Amino acid sequence: QITLKESGPTLVKPTQTLTLTCTFSGFSLNTGGVGVGWIRQPPGKALEWLALIFWDDDKRYSPSLKSRLTITKDTAKNQVVLTMTNMDPVDTATYYCAHSLYTTSSKNYFDSWGQGTLVTVSS
Amino acid sequence: DIQMTQSPSSLSASVGDRVTLTCRASQTISRYLNWYQQKPGKAPSLLIHAASTLQSGVPSRFSGSGSGTDFTLTISSLQPEDFATYFCQQAYVTPGTFGQGTSLEI
Repeated sequence: QITLKESGPTLVKPTQTLTLTCTFSGFSLNTGGVGVGWIRQPPGKALEWLALIFWDDDKRYSPSLKSRLTITKDTAKNQVVLTMTNMDPVDTATYYCAHSLYTTSSKNYFDSWGQGTLVTVSS
Repeated sequence: DIQMTQSPSSLSASVGDRVTLTCRASQTISRYLNWYQQKPGKAPSLLIHAASTLQSGVPSRFSGSGSGTDFTLTISSLQPEDFATYFCQQAYVTPGTFGQGTSLEI
């Protein structure tokens, strides 16, 4: 059974750096085709794809946020960390991490999600 | 980025109805299209990948079709637990952009 859980601050101030950790179980990030992604959702709005890290350490970012995002993995700890710099109130959202599978017929899809963590940006 | 547009934004229906939701991509994405269901206060859950492949455990009343730029999600007979918001997502390229969602209401 795959489980993921996000952790990090619930409140950050503008200009600060946000660090979120995704701790997972039930799979290994050393397995081919496996990845972990981050997606966020402002209150009442749509999902926004942020970043994805693959088993081979390939990393992909949203072009609009690339300069502010860093995604890393620690396979020994079964964790993926997302950092986002220069936080702004518009970054207030629920942040989800999700297990991704890559197949030649589907490419990437998120088949298991964490419960999400609400991050509020306010002074 | 590839833009994903869903229609309608909201839809009212009744238990037992057959409903079809639409998702359009701003450029061809072959069949690399995923559908997710999200209930209030919960994380999204995967329904369909590769446009028409039903995720394990998802009821067979859900089906997906389409290729290129136009895709549909059909629920053959709405059940009370199906009232939720549905998002499409393209997987053709990263970033895997999502549509704005369709809210399915009673």
